[in-house]
Amino acid sequence: DAKTTQPPSMDCAEGRAANLPCNHSTISGNEYVYWYRQIHSQGPQYIIHGLKNNETNEMASLIITEDRKSSTLILPHATLRDTAVYYCIVRVAGNQGGKLIFGQGTELSVKP
Amino acid sequence: ETGVTQTPRHLVMGMTNKKSLKCEQHLGHNAMYWYKQSAKKPLELMFVYNFKEQTENNSVPSRFSPECPNSSHLFLHLHTLQPEDSALYLCASSQDRVRMETQYFGPGTRLLVL
Repeated sequence: DAKTTQPPSMDCAEGRAANLPCNHSTISGNEYVYWYRQIHSQGPQYIIHGLKNNETNEMASLIITEDRKSSTLILPHATLRDTAVYYCIVRVAGNQGGKLIFGQGTELSVKP
Repeated sequence: ETGVTQTPRHLVMGMTNKKSLKCEQHLGHNAMYWYKQSAKKPLELMFVYNFKEQTENNSVPSRFSPECPNSSHLFLHLHTLQPEDSALYLCASSQDRVRMETQYFGPGTRLLVL
């Protein structure tokens, strides 16, 4: 599975968009980008995933660059409850076996 | 996400005790997982069950014993634990082992071993 690089921490003002970057320059053609988050002392929560095209759901949007070497998770209107550690994971979908590798992630602090 | 529940939420036990953690998923999934998360460390996958069969044991000490009586329930039996086993224990489920990238986690059990 491709290695990912994320900034260790970011701040965002409440109500503003939070843009969380992830670099995955060694991603291969059949690897997807997955995002999870973990609010303090809770279990991780799946957010979104994508392969090439941009994706949007009720939680967030995922923008993947054309060369697929980086992506950005966008929380359009961050709230205090979005304060969490956000993990970017790259993996081949449907590849039975192996495991999700939760690295250090980005600790997002949403401030009033 | 309330699809995966875990009990108890907090547990304090002595090193000679025997206790069990319970996980239940209401999502109709067929794969279930136990993870350990120690302070300031990444999640560690412990066990994987797929259609009630254990498919993975990631070198977990025998003082941790999993049980999966059916696809909706997963237990982690604990005995003669060590203080370093204190951690957040998380249960997760996915549609099956193949579609494991989208996992749904429970809230975890915070375990303290004295």
